[in-house]
Amino acid sequence: EVQLVESGGDLVQPGGSLRLSCTASGFNFGYYSMNWVRQAPGKGLEWISYISYSSSSIHYADSVKGRFTISRDNAKDSLYLQMIGLRDEDTAVYYCARDGDGDCDHWGQGTLVIVSS
Amino acid sequence: DVVMTQSPLSLPVTLGQPASISCRSSQSLLYSDGNTYLHWYQQRPGQSPRRLIYKVSNRDSGVPDRFSGSGSGTDFTLKISRVEAEDVGLYYCMQGRHWPHTFGQGTKLEIK
Repeated sequence: EVQLVESGGDLVQPGGSLRLSCTASGFNFGYYSMNWVRQAPGKGLEWISYISYSSSSIHYADSVKGRFTISRDNAKDSLYLQMIGLRDEDTAVYYCARDGDGDCDHWGQGTLVIVSS
Repeated sequence: DVVMTQSPLSLPVTLGQPASISCRSSQSLLYSDGNTYLHWYQQRPGQSPRRLIYKVSNRDSGVPDRFSGSGSGTDFTLKISRVEAEDVGLYYCMQGRHWPHTFGQGTKLEIK
């Protein structure tokens, strides 16, 4: 069974930094590209980042470009999202999602990031 | 960026009746490999999203056959033949053809 478990969400002050992690199991992590998707409270889904299986291809939404960095460690079956310069509008549940083929075929349960002073 | 426009945004439906959600993209989602990268997701209250339909019309494993997807190019539809109580929640279309990938605003399905 495919499982994705996010962690690292926390309350952080505006301008602060945070690193999210996503640990995968139940599939060969190194064979799949991955995504991060977020959902602000009471709002819709926002795709924010993608990394290919080999890390050779990376994409970001304009809203996070230059502030967030996606990475992965295939030896540890783990996906990461380094976030700096956090803003109020970054408050959201952050989901990691496996990329099936230009989509998100399996999702984690999410981790909550709150940016507030 | 490709804009995904869903309608309606609110969908009250009587149990056992059909429901339909439209999703339109601002650019074609057809790729040179012949695939169209339009997908549908369901998010039940308090749960993570789950994929229902991928590449327009392919139902995921475990998804009831009352769910179907259709469309081409820039115009797509998710249909539920007979709504059941467990179908309550939010439905999103997503395009995976262009970077950045983008979601529709979401359609909230509720029981009348």
